[in-house]
Amino acid sequence: GAGVSQSPSNKVTEKGKDVELRCDPISGHTALYWYRQSLGQGLEFLIYFQGNSAPDKSGLPSDRFSAERTGGSVSTLTIQRTQQEDSAVYLCASSTDPAGSPLHFGNGTRLTVT
Amino acid sequence: EDQVTQSPEALRLQEGESSSLNCSYTVSGLRGLFWYRQDPGKGPEFLFTLYSAGEEKEKERLKATLTKKESFLHITAPKPEDSATYLCAVHKSFQKLVFGTGTRLLVSP
Repeated sequence: GAGVSQSPSNKVTEKGKDVELRCDPISGHTALYWYRQSLGQGLEFLIYFQGNSAPDKSGLPSDRFSAERTGGSVSTLTIQRTQQEDSAVYLCASSTDPAGSPLHFGNGTRLTVT
Repeated sequence: EDQVTQSPEALRLQEGESSSLNCSYTVSGLRGLFWYRQDPGKGPEFLFTLYSAGEEKEKERLKATLTKKESFLHITAPKPEDSATYLCAVHKSFQKLVFGTGTRLLVSP
C-alpha cells in the first residue's frame, strides 16, 4: 500500500522567505510526527499530532516554526523568515496510535536556505 | 537528561564477517526501543521494537537484543545490500522517539 508521502522532495529558498512542507500520512494512521535531520546529527523531534490536535509541540525550535493538521490527515509544516540554520531534511512519520506502534517515515524534504 | 549513544559511528565489514552494533541509553520511563535502517536519500525504515530486558527479535541476518542499559544489533554473515545507517531510538511518552546518531555500515563484497 501507499506509504507516507512528502512534498516537495527538495526545496531551495532564499534566507528570509517562508516555506511550506507537506506530509500525507498512511491512510488510517491517527498519529503524525515531524522530525528534522541535520548532517551528522540524530533525528530531532519537532511536533506530534494525535488527530488534528498537537499535544506535544516541545520540539519546535522557535516561533518561526508552526504546523497544522486538517481532517486528521494531511499536515503542513511552515517555516517563516527562513535562516541558514534551518537547512536540513524534514521527515514526517505516521503511526496507528501513540502507544508503542512503530513510526513509518516518508523520504523527507531536503530544505536548503541560501 | 535523556541520551541515546550508538557505537561505533562507522563500521566496515567484509561480506560474511559477522559483527554487532551497540546502542546504550539513559532514559527515564522507557517504553520501548526501536531499530531502524536508513538508506541514503530515504527515510528510516522500521526493523524491530523491543520492550523489555531479555527480549530478542530476528529478521533475516539481523538479530536485536535488549538489556536494561543497552541494545545490540547483531549482523550475521552480512551482504553488501546490508550497507546502510542503522538508527536506534527509545520511546517515551506520546511516542516521542529519542534517536541516536546512527552507525554507518559498509559491507564490501
